[in-house]
Amino acid sequence: RKEVEQDPGPFNVPEGATVAFNCTYSNSASQSFFWYRQDCRKEPKLLMSVYSSGNEDGRFTAQLNRASQYISLLIRDSKLSDSATYLCVVNIWANSGNTPLVFGKGTRLSVIA
Amino acid sequence: DTEVTQTPKHLVMGMTNKKSLKCEQHMGHRAMYWYKQKAKKPPELMFVYSYEKLSINESVPSRFSPECPNSSLLNLHLHALQPEDSALYLCASSQDEGGGGNEQFFGPGTRLTVL
Repeated sequence: RKEVEQDPGPFNVPEGATVAFNCTYSNSASQSFFWYRQDCRKEPKLLMSVYSSGNEDGRFTAQLNRASQYISLLIRDSKLSDSATYLCVVNIWANSGNTPLVFGKGTRLSVIA
Repeated sequence: DTEVTQTPKHLVMGMTNKKSLKCEQHMGHRAMYWYKQKAKKPPELMFVYSYEKLSINESVPSRFSPECPNSSLLNLHLHALQPEDSALYLCASSQDEGGGGNEQFFGPGTRLTVL
């Protein structure tokens, strides 16, 4: 089983639509959770961290369910500029301190006019 | 300054060449990372430096040699690469290596082509 699994893409949605991405992680020791977005041929950019209480930033809402080991990202009122690949990323904290990020394969979103 | 810079942006090299990739950050971060990313794949971790010491080497071939001259700089020395090493090489930094909420910030990457 892969450590971080995401919805297979691509998602093709019209402008103004609401779209949700899901992600599951296998390691219950996971401590930190992030959504990154990556545009074609660019570097990943942090979109938002995901907290247990859920968090919202404008049109973006992230949720974490530790019991189900599940993370989601909701984008409301999609814009053309939201077209990108969205990477679900998990950080496992261990006493050794070695905690590389674990990336999902990403979900491609295309917002169409 | 929340920026990670990388040079060069593009690099074309032959299999017998020696070249270096450079990364710099001035955020006071104490952990720095090298990733390799192939098209349509997520970044793959190569090396982690924590407080200027190599803490993780993800079984990377010795033709890739990292170096951390100081807390702001990270180099990746390349020698005798293969065409399959062609990829986007990303540098990232974070406040420190462990613990929760440790977001990583990525540089724009160096697009490497090995002929």
